Amino acid sequence: GAVVSQHPSRVICKSGTSVKIECRSLDFQATTMFWYRQFPKKSLMLMATSNEGSKATYEQGVEKDKFLINHASLTLSTLTVTSAHPEDSSFYICSAPQTPGANVLTFGAGSRLTVL
Amino acid sequence: GQQLNQSPQSMFIQEGEDVSMNCTSSSIFNTWLWYKQEPGEGPVLLIALYKAGELTSNGRLTAQFGITRKDSFLNISASIPSDVGIYFCAGPLLTGNQFYFGTGTSLTVIP
Repeated sequence: GAVVSQHPSRVICKSGTSVKIECRSLDFQATTMFWYRQFPKKSLMLMATSNEGSKATYEQGVEKDKFLINHASLTLSTLTVTSAHPEDSSFYICSAPQTPGANVLTFGAGSRLTVL
Repeated sequence: GQQLNQSPQSMFIQEGEDVSMNCTSSSIFNTWLWYKQEPGEGPVLLIALYKAGELTSNGRLTAQFGITRKDSFLNISASIPSDVGIYFCAGPLLTGNQFYFGTGTSLTVIP
């Protein structure tokens, strides 16, 4: 079945640094990927839709310059949290449709970011 | 973003009991999906519903896509301890491809 891999699973960084999270579709191609953010005991909040070869579409209230998304290939999307601050600490999860245009998403295992 | 409201917010039940949770939205959804998430993991798909009125089962799980396309329910029969987790409804709007998640139902099964 479709597998989405995220890396790193956990990252701790100092305030002011930038952190990159990778999301890979291992056995299928993904022209679209979705990035979510989740706070403890809360739901997943859609941050942006990553589109291969074009700009990401951000949800209202999500800072584009803060959360840089790049989808350079059909199997890789990256989320870079720039100049991270403690309030950026969260669980970030990516997902992709199992087939292009499909209405079912496969999720990565998530990346826990802690900003000191 | 869109708000999918789930109820109840949390449930504490005895092993062997049946569970029912639902999800409602003010918008029409194209597809309804039910996911389970365990701590520190990404959500895992349980059931996908594609047609209004559709009733689908997956083992002890049964879910239905509401006729109005604005709601869905998930039932778990004869709960077991490994059913513990947070259950989310999710789906894309009829008018777009962004996937939104419900507020979640936290399930605790007491052995």
